[in-house]
Amino acid sequence: GDKVKQSPSALSLQEGTNSALRCNFSIAATTVQWFLQNPRGSLINLFYLVPGTKENGRLKSTFNSKESYSTLHIRDAQLEDSGTYFCAAEARLSGSFNKLTFGAGTRLAVCP
Amino acid sequence: EAAVTQSPRNKVAVTGGKVTLSCNQTNNHNNMYWYRQDTGHGLRLIHYSYGAGSTEKGDIPDGYKASRPSQENFSLILELATPSQTSVYFCASGDNTEVFFGKGTRLTVV
Repeated sequence: GDKVKQSPSALSLQEGTNSALRCNFSIAATTVQWFLQNPRGSLINLFYLVPGTKENGRLKSTFNSKESYSTLHIRDAQLEDSGTYFCAAEARLSGSFNKLTFGAGTRLAVCP
Repeated sequence: EAAVTQSPRNKVAVTGGKVTLSCNQTNNHNNMYWYRQDTGHGLRLIHYSYGAGSTEKGDIPDGYKASRPSQENFSLILELATPSQTSVYFCASGDNTEVFFGKGTRLTVV
């Protein structure tokens, strides 16, 4: 089964509204990264998380390692937030730093 | 911000031909990675390296080789390209914390 499961798979938001994306892990994730893949295909780093919460502008992300999930909250969605959001988990064993396991992504469309 | 540069950005190859995808990073990161992205699969790890001269198999290494001749450069080699290797390939580098990606190479094998 999927080691990193993202939900929802697709989402449509009205400009100015809020939403939350979620990742559930069936591996012992030690760190999590969130990326936005923009319409041109580039992967933009959003957050690098150890267990805890980080905030950057209208984005806020939490990683709960004990309950094996991470969330990404988008506040006041803007058109430029459209794209595909990926979470990726690192299960840090001895000598396996930075090996990321990706979810399948959440496709977000923000509409005017 | 970490700089990871891939070349070429687009490539069309013939079945059975040899393809080399190149990646260069200027941030002195020890760790480098090759992923492929296909619709519905997210990114999947092909090969990775923890330093010059080292390569390791990732989750889907079959049909691929890798080479890390220096700290800065990491290549992905398809000795006998097949249409199933048509995909977008991403190189990445990291410093044991955050990982940064290049812009990707779109490979089409015909």
